[in-house]
Amino acid sequence: QVQLVESGGALVKPGGSLRLSCAASGFTFSDYYMTWVRQAPGRGLEWISYISNTGGTIFYADSVKGRFTISRDNAKHSLYLQMNSLTAEDTAVYYCARDFYGGSSFDYWGQGTLVTVSS
Amino acid sequence: QSALTQPASVSGSPGQSITISCTGTGSDVGRYNLVSWYQQHPGKAPKLIIYGDTKRPSGVSDRFSGSKSGSTASLTISGLRAEDEAYYYCCSYAPSGTPFGGGTKVTVL
Repeated sequence: QVQLVESGGALVKPGGSLRLSCAASGFTFSDYYMTWVRQAPGRGLEWISYISNTGGTIFYADSVKGRFTISRDNAKHSLYLQMNSLTAEDTAVYYCARDFYGGSSFDYWGQGTLVTVSS
Repeated sequence: QSALTQPASVSGSPGQSITISCTGTGSDVGRYNLVSWYQQHPGKAPKLIIYGDTKRPSGVSDRFSGSKSGSTASLTISGLRAEDEAYYYCCSYAPSGTPFGGGTKVTVL
């Protein structure tokens, strides 16, 4: 069965960095676009980045552009999110999700990993 | 990358039908047949319930249906049940990103 498992969430100080990982299993990872979505405490969903199946196409939300970097390793069935220059506004649960149809249809989600930015 | 507009809350009694709107622009909702809807219960990951404006994934109840007119998409829940009480989010493809709506809390009275 399809599984997505995020890891790497932690408490980090403002200005710090963190790298999230998402381990995929149960499907041919290299066939699918993947995305990161986050949810701040008590707030709605916010799309932050997606990456094509080959890694050749990448987009970011304006809120993270220049600070976050999405990448993938198809051989390791893994998706990554490198987060730099973190601020309190980046505090959220971060989900990875599989995009199966057209760029906005996320059919499988991980359980999420919590990133807290605080001094 | 403007967020899509949804009502903050919608309520209905068991058995009734409710509709949630999602308003975008001619650059996202109105341009592509790629609106999706997600249901999220507290503390849980979102669940896809509608994609491609009107399509239902396998296993999703046919009480959920999607439609669209111009730049406004809608989700209708028919035969409202207690377990439908949750947050609902719309999402649309756009060339530079994939905005979500702000979310709608559905309350079953």
